[in-house]
Amino acid sequence: AQSVTQLDSQVPVFEEAPVELRCNYSSSVSVYLFWYVQYPNQGLQLLLKYLSGSTLVESINGFEAEFNKSQTSFHLRKPSVHISDTAEYFCAVTPNFNKFYFGSGTKLNVKP
Amino acid sequence: EAQVTQNPRYLITVTGKKLTVTCSQNMNHEYMSWYRQDPGLGLRQIYYSMNVEVTDKGDVPEGYKVSRKEKRNFPLILESPSPNQTSLYFCASRRQGATGELFFGEGSRLTVL
Repeated sequence: AQSVTQLDSQVPVFEEAPVELRCNYSSSVSVYLFWYVQYPNQGLQLLLKYLSGSTLVESINGFEAEFNKSQTSFHLRKPSVHISDTAEYFCAVTPNFNKFYFGSGTKLNVKP
Repeated sequence: EAQVTQNPRYLITVTGKKLTVTCSQNMNHEYMSWYRQDPGLGLRQIYYSMNVEVTDKGDVPEGYKVSRKEKRNFPLILESPSPNQTSLYFCASRRQGATGELFFGEGSRLTVL
């Protein structure tokens, strides 16, 4: 079975500061990894994904995540956050694109 | 506009009164799935369907039923709702063979009294 741990339920940060949202997973098989973002009163949207190849993946809005197989982690980072990044972020894994396992979410609160 | 549509968006009901939450997608996706979102627990998968007439259990299927008679629709049925099914429910779809991107509906907030 797979499980995903997001240790930080809330992360407050000032605008233009860097941020890291942590994600660790456990699995007995290879998995594919995702970060989804949920803005208030909306469904989730894909932010970025790791399927294979380079362990560093980037999104179009400045976020990046690095897959670390030895530490079973997929932390999300952004060097300079904006107010508009305020949202809840979910890490997810799947072994086969059919069953998906999500973490408990991290609420990023960007303050002016 | 490509979208996943859920109805109702909000519902308050009573224990034992059967209800159905509908989900429809206009992207011709083969795969559809249902999740519930609870504070501190994130999203947990209830059921998924890889195509018409093909469904399988996720992690928390107890108390729910699904059917997939048409490609675009994937209703979630609560035959006898109980208060522990009070939750925010999301439907999602993706194209089979696509690399994992799920398209989510806007959610259905269900309260069972």
